[in-house]
Amino acid sequence: AQSVTQLGSHVSVSEGALVLLRCNYSSSVPPYLFWYVQYPNQGLQLLLKYTTGATLVKGINGFEAEFKKSETSFHLTKPSAHMSDAAEYFCAVSGKTGANNLFFGTGTRLTVIP
Amino acid sequence: DTGVSQNPRHKITKRGQNVTFRCDPISEHNRLYWYRQTLGQGPEFLTYFQNEAQLEKSRLLSDRFSAERPKGSFSTLEIQRTEQGDSAMYLCASSHKTGPNRMNTEAFFGQGTRLTVV
Repeated sequence: AQSVTQLGSHVSVSEGALVLLRCNYSSSVPPYLFWYVQYPNQGLQLLLKYTTGATLVKGINGFEAEFKKSETSFHLTKPSAHMSDAAEYFCAVSGKTGANNLFFGTGTRLTVIP
Repeated sequence: DTGVSQNPRHKITKRGQNVTFRCDPISEHNRLYWYRQTLGQGPEFLTYFQNEAQLEKSRLLSDRFSAERPKGSFSTLEIQRTEQGDSAMYLCASSHKTGPNRMNTEAFFGQGTRLTVV
């Protein structure tokens, strides 16, 4: 069975500071891992994904994440926060068969302080 | 390509009424998914279609819920005898096979339909 735990429902950072959003997963099969961003009253936009291959994946808007199998983690980082990064971020996991039936974490709300 | 389109964006209904939502996926995407998101939670999988076939349903999809994708293009999600607990954002997503292994690895989400049951 697949599940995701996002540590910290709220994270606040100063503009220009490092962003680190934590995600740990549980999966009975080799996982596909995703980070999505959601702005108020909007759908979800894919930031990045890990399927196979390189464990450090780069996404849109300067975000990246590293798949660490030994730690069952897929933490999201960005070197320098921008005001426009303020949003809700969701980590998700699916089985080897692809994007079907994504299991989402409960989300982390990122606040950027000017 | 305008992305995944969902209608209506908002729906307020009285308890006990039936509601139907529509989702138009990205053109030629073979898979279509429905998720439900309640306040403060991540989306929860409800069901998905490959073309017109409904391949998987979550236990969350009670017998009051029914989804269809009759021609493998748009989909509808109907909730009968709505309850206050059905109040949520209903998200639709679609995907297609890409990459050398021809797998559905990325789901594109619509903006959702927010249902309020009063």
